[in-house]
Amino acid sequence: GQQLNQSPQSMFIQEGEDVSMNCTSSSIFNTWLWYKQDPGEGPVLLIALYKAGELTSNGRLTAQFGITRKDSFLNISASIPSDVGIYFCAGIRNAGKSTFGDGTTLTVKP
Amino acid sequence: DTGVSQDPRHKITKRGQNVTFRCDPISEHNRLYWYRQTLGQGPEFLTYFQNEAQLEKSRLLSDRFSAERPKGSFSTLEIQRTEQGDSAMYLCASSFPGDGETQYFGPGTRLLVL
Repeated sequence: GQQLNQSPQSMFIQEGEDVSMNCTSSSIFNTWLWYKQDPGEGPVLLIALYKAGELTSNGRLTAQFGITRKDSFLNISASIPSDVGIYFCAGIRNAGKSTFGDGTTLTVKP
Repeated sequence: DTGVSQDPRHKITKRGQNVTFRCDPISEHNRLYWYRQTLGQGPEFLTYFQNEAQLEKSRLLSDRFSAERPKGSFSTLEIQRTEQGDSAMYLCASSFPGDGETQYFGPGTRLLVL
């Protein structure tokens, strides 16, 4: 089946540092999504990418849809304590289910 | 609040009991999805509806699981004869075709089977 490999699994960074995480797949996706999830809550959409090569920003967050359609990355600049949480990538191949990575847990030290 | 809502937020039940969860999607969204998430994992797809039609079901959805969306608005997910392995967060999401199929999630229902 379709698998998304998300890395790194966890990150411990100092406040103010930049963060980069990525997702790769052996399958092509037509849409890439990045979510943030806090404990006990549902995932909250951060950025949606719809075209290969697309680079999209949302405040301090920037994400790119890989040109091969098999990967995506998310960057967070100048991290702050409220960036703490679990970040998930998700790919959609056709209308219907999303395939999720297993998340990157981000810890920000003040 | 116009987001996806789920009820209840938490459910504790004994093994063998039946449970039912409800999801109310964003009002103009015609697609509705159910996912299951266990600790340390990403959400796993269970099933999805377009209007009232159930279009896809995962192999994870055993015979004990049934989902309905009778009027194309809210949906219910029922688990019969619950097992301890059913303990998880059950997430609902909805989407609208004009929005690139972007799925917006509810807060989830956390199920604990004792």
